[in-house]
Amino acid sequence: QKEVEQDPGPLSVPEGAIVSLNCTYSNSAFQYFMWYRQYSRKGPELLMYTYSSGNKEDGRFTAQVDKSSKYISLFIRDSQPSDSATYLCAMSTNAGGTSYGKLTFGQGTILTVHP
Amino acid sequence: EAGVVQSPRYKIIEKKQPVAFWCNPISGHNTLYWYLQNLGQGPELLIRYENEEAVDDSQLPKDRFSAERLKGVDSTLKIQPAELGDSAVYLCASSLVKSGGAQDTQYFGPGTRLTVL
Repeated sequence: QKEVEQDPGPLSVPEGAIVSLNCTYSNSAFQYFMWYRQYSRKGPELLMYTYSSGNKEDGRFTAQVDKSSKYISLFIRDSQPSDSATYLCAMSTNAGGTSYGKLTFGQGTILTVHP
Repeated sequence: EAGVVQSPRYKIIEKKQPVAFWCNPISGHNTLYWYLQNLGQGPELLIRYENEEAVDDSQLPKDRFSAERLKGVDSTLKIQPAELGDSAVYLCASSLVKSGGAQDTQYFGPGTRLTVL
């Protein structure tokens, strides 16, 4: 079983829809949670970053972390065709040493927002 | 500010041939990462450098893969000899890790897409 599981989709929604992307994880030492967006033939770019449990909002994007359930979510409101990309969740521990800074990624969810 | 630069963007080689990828991180970033991304998967860490030192290379297949980061700036990842299963995207990322270990954002380059025939 992988440390981070993400439904690969693909997910296709109409413009304006609310999108929900999710990841589950097994390593309770994860404390930093990130969502990256990756356009075709590009590198991942950071969208949202949260530490420990709670919600964080940035424009149309909301990230939620529930450490008790080992579950994180990314919500996209009023989705746009420009949001079409692969969304990757990523997590890291703060154990220091060689594990510090190591990101463990989910396999990514392919999202298409059609006009 | 220039982002992480990688070259070449695409490389096609025959199996058993050597190949090398180059990465220039964001200026001032002391930490550099090489990731492997297979089709339909998330990136997986191969090696992490803090300045010139490889502080995590546990996932690097050392029988055929090698990396170096001379002078603590740009880095080269080499595969010799390449195998069919090495076909993937090789991503480089960099970040600034401050004293005390404060976590900082990893910025990714566009990657090198390797095809081994």
